[in-house]
Amino acid sequence: AQSVTQLGSHVSVSEGALVLLRCNYSSSVPPYLFWYVQYPNQGLQLLLKYTTGATLVKGINGFEAEFKKSETSFHLTKPSAHMSDAAEYFCAVSEMLNDMRFGAGTRLTVKP
Amino acid sequence: ETGVTQSPTHLIKTRGQQVTLRCSSQSGHNTVSWYQQALGQGPQFIFQYYREEENGRGNFPPRFSGLQFPNYSSELNVNALELDDSALYLCASSIIAGLNYGYTFGSGTRLTVV
Repeated sequence: AQSVTQLGSHVSVSEGALVLLRCNYSSSVPPYLFWYVQYPNQGLQLLLKYTTGATLVKGINGFEAEFKKSETSFHLTKPSAHMSDAAEYFCAVSEMLNDMRFGAGTRLTVKP
Repeated sequence: ETGVTQSPTHLIKTRGQQVTLRCSSQSGHNTVSWYQQALGQGPQFIFQYYREEENGRGNFPPRFSGLQFPNYSSELNVNALELDDSALYLCASSIIAGLNYGYTFGSGTRLTVV
């Protein structure tokens, strides 16, 4: 079965600094990969997804992620952090389109 | 286009009771999935319904059951509530149509079992 490991439960960056949130996956077939963001007391909002084709995926709010099959990774990056980026971020993998498995999440803190 | 609406937003139940949580899917979405998110953890897949049939299930006991209705609304029922059932329950609707694949999540129902 597919699974996701998010490295680092908490990441802290300064405003304007690079954001890097790490995600490694395990899947027996070519996976669908996702990044979601969750603000306090809210549901999950899709940032971006990889299904097929170009391995560098651009999402909303300036985020992007690169699918690296050889490294089984799908790390999320943003060149310059903004205070409004502070939230919980979840990486997810799906194989069969009938279930999506999430990582434990990474809490991003942005310091002024 | 409408989003995904869940009700109620908060709920307190006593151990041993039964609870029903409701979800109104996004218009045109034929698939609904339910997730349990315990405090400080990622969402855990409970099950998915596609065209009113269960289409996949995670590692949850049978006391977690669901229904999907022709208008794409759905319910999550939990019997014999346990303290560990306290969590945020998320509903997500989607269209399974090739690569046009993505979930739209509701804001969740926070269930507290005392």
